[in-house]
Amino acid sequence: AQSVAQPEDQVNVAEGNPLTVKCTYSVSGNPYLFWYVQYPNRGLQFLLKYITGDNLVKGSYGFEAEFNKSQTSFHLKKPSALVSDSALYFCAVRDMEGNNRLAFGKGNQVVVIP
Amino acid sequence: DVKVTQSSRYLVKRTGEKVFLECVQDMDHENMFWYRQDPGLGLRLIYFSYDVKMKEKGDIPEGYSVSREKKERFSLILESASTNQTSMYLCASSFRTSFHEQYFGPGTRLTVT
Repeated sequence: AQSVAQPEDQVNVAEGNPLTVKCTYSVSGNPYLFWYVQYPNRGLQFLLKYITGDNLVKGSYGFEAEFNKSQTSFHLKKPSALVSDSALYFCAVRDMEGNNRLAFGKGNQVVVIP
Repeated sequence: DVKVTQSSRYLVKRTGEKVFLECVQDMDHENMFWYRQDPGLGLRLIYFSYDVKMKEKGDIPEGYSVSREKKERFSLILESASTNQTSMYLCASSFRTSFHEQYFGPGTRLTVT
């Protein structure tokens, strides 16, 4: 089955510093990769996706993600973190062996320190 | 804006009770999904549905059933609730050809005592 791994449980970053949330994937064929964010007491929101094309994908709220085929990674980045970016972030991959549904990682808690 | 609503934000039930979680979407989406979210385990798919009266098992269907009698509504049923079903339950929907761009409801936190 297709899967993603998010190696860190929590990412702490000072406000104004760059933010990186890591994700690696394991798929057969070309990956369709996604990032979702869950703010406190809210449902998940779609942030961005990589289907094909440019390796650097831009999404909502100033986030971007870089697809790296050789490292099988799709790390989420933001140049300057805000306190309001504190949330739970999920990486996901389209599971083409499982009716094209999404397979989610376990999530990363991001804490932006004022 | 797409809106996915869930019938309750918080629910407390007793062991052995039959529990219904309701989800409604207003974007005419063909696909609907039920997930459970547990710390350290991420989101795990329970059931999904491609269309009215259609359903497919996800990764953890045991102890759950679903019903989709109308396109906009997808119900998750716990036939006999158990304490290990205490969790956050998330509903989502998407267009038929866009499994990946799913829109989520706010979640129902279910506690089974």
